[in-house]
Amino acid sequence: KAGVTQTPRYLIKTRGQQVTLSCSPISGHRSVSWYQQTPGQGLQFLFEYFSETQRNKGNFPGRFSGRQFSNSRSEMNVSTLELGDSALYLCASSLTAGTDTQYFGPGTRLTVL
Amino acid sequence: GENVEQHPSTLSVQEGDSAVIKCTYSDSASNYFPWYKQELGKGPQLIIDIRSNVGEKKDQRIAVTLNKTAKHFSLHITETQPEDSAVYFCAARAGGSQGNLIFGKGTKLSVKP
Repeated sequence: KAGVTQTPRYLIKTRGQQVTLSCSPISGHRSVSWYQQTPGQGLQFLFEYFSETQRNKGNFPGRFSGRQFSNSRSEMNVSTLELGDSALYLCASSLTAGTDTQYFGPGTRLTVL
Repeated sequence: GENVEQHPSTLSVQEGDSAVIKCTYSDSASNYFPWYKQELGKGPQLIIDIRSNVGEKKDQRIAVTLNKTAKHFSLHITETQPEDSAVYFCAARAGGSQGNLIFGKGTKLSVKP
């Protein structure tokens, strides 16, 4: 069974631009969570989607948004990029909402110049 | 909200020795505690997890113990090998079964041949 896939793997943007990252969960998994990983703050929860609905959200500004499609694939968008948004963005999938086991993808490395 | 403290931040051991990483959590409602291993350039990989109704769990050279009263849990790796070198993260599921994962800051384990 294929694991969690994320595209693109690397991305370079400039301040003020916006970016969209994509995540395909493990086949059969319906819940997708997004995390931001930085050296200073570590792994921080962004949001979780299940059945195309956001069911949980972390403490991030409204510039960070996401959505989930009917096939469980998810996208996250960051608008008006800031230098501090440079990070590894990780997607994790789980069978259902509230299911404990989360499996992570390889991440998307975003660099904001 | 939930807070997870992880120690030590770096750990260096000789091949064949044991390694122990400790985490404490603050939310007594947390009931699920996974451990992830992250190698350079990769996403976190689940290596073992434990639920609050179990005190200890083993999987070959890896074991996790949980002390609910003291609100701490530990990862034990025996007979360490160079391929165990990586960053290890502990996590706790916040707010009972519906919450997101809260991660510790990570421990960089180096196993010297």
